[in-house]
Order: sequence, then structure tokens, then C-alpha cells
Amino acid sequence: QVQLVQSGSELKKPGAAVKVSCKASGYSFTTYGMNWVRQAPGQGLEWMGWINTNTGNPTYAQDFAGRFVFSLDTSVTTAYLQIRSLKAEDTAVYYCARGVTLSRGVSLDSWFDPWGQGTLVIVSS
Amino acid sequence: DIQMTQSPSSLSASVGDTVTVTCRASQSIDIDVNWYQQKLGKAPKVLIYGASSLLSGVPSRFSGSGYGTDFTLTISNLQPEDLAIYYCQQSHNTPWTFGQGTKVEIK
Repeated sequence: QVQLVQSGSELKKPGAAVKVSCKASGYSFTTYGMNWVRQAPGQGLEWMGWINTNTGNPTYAQDFAGRFVFSLDTSVTTAYLQIRSLKAEDTAVYYCARGVTLSRGVSLDSWFDPWGQGTLVIVSS
Repeated sequence: DIQMTQSPSSLSASVGDTVTVTCRASQSIDIDVNWYQQKLGKAPKVLIYGASSLLSGVPSRFSGSGYGTDFTLTISNLQPEDLAIYYCQQSHNTPWTFGQGTKVEIK
């Protein structure tokens, strides 16, 4: 079955870096883009951007351009999210989510399915 | 960016009731709305795409409607397992944006 399995929780100090992995299985990895979504404690969902798994080209939402880096290792069907210079406000659950698109004539339907189980990143001194 | 405004922020209903969650977009977005369900401590799960198309395996008591700026998610015959937070998301333009969520509680 189609599945995304993320790496485990992380506890980091401010200023450090963290790398979260998202292992995909059950489908052709390079056929679908991979999205990243952040959920701060008790808050809603925030789309961080996506990476084209065919070309490796990342696209970042405005608030996530700079310290956040999306990357891939297609040989192991894994996407990565690296966060540099961590701040306390980066404390959140980070999800990867496969981007699905379906043509409906002149336009496309697009949605996220499935999602990884989430990775909790805690930034604290 | 397109803003998605959900209402209410929370609701409480009894098993068997019909509940409606609304989502308003800050500009016209055709039918480019998806609905997700997030249970406590779990990842979100897509229920509906394209405003009204039900994903395979999603119970038929879930339905969606709307066009342009106003959209609704309806849960008929509410079940205990429907306890969750529901989010709308627009897929019209990047950055993709979500509503703030509606918490559905069971009386």
C-alpha cells in the first residue's frame, strides 16, 4: 500500500540543525511531488512548499524560504526536510504529504494523500 | 495569498445528527477545495477533493458542495468516530492554504 514513514521525534537546541526523513513506498516515487506541512502545537496546518521528485526542484512558501531545505534521495525513495539555525518557534510537528493531481479537462484537482505520520521537532535550550 | 475562513471553530452534536462546516475563500477558487479530517494525535486524512468528490473508502455520510467562494462539508448521521478537527484547503493557487479548522465534538 502507498505509505510515507517519517523519522522519529527530535529534541534540538536553538541554533542547531535537524533533518527529517520521509520514506515512500508502494508507488512510483518520481511520479508524484512531495509536500511538507507544519503544525505548531495546538495550531492549524501550514503548507511549507514542495519538491518535484522528478527534477529535484524545490518550491518554498514565502515564510519558509531561507532556513528550510527540501531534498531527495531517489535511490531510497526518501524525501528530506532540513531546518537550519533552529528557533524555539520552529517547535512543531512536520508532515510530508504526497501531492496527487487529477485532470478534469481544462484544470486540475490537487490534494495531499497520503500523509506521513508526522515528526515532532522540539527546539529548547 | 488566498485566505480560507472556516466556521464554526467548534461544534458539538449528537450521534445521528447532521452537521455542516463552512469554508469561505477570500477570492473565487472555482471548485478547488479539499477537506481533511484530523483525529487527535494523527496525521490529516483527505476526505473530499474538488469540492464534492469523495475519496475511495470514505463513508458516504460525508459530502461536500460549493463553488466560487463558499463551500460546505456535511456529515450526515454523525458517528462517534467522526470526533476530529476538519480542515478545508484551497488548491487554486500556491501557496496552498488551509482553513483554521473546525473541531467536531460528540455530545
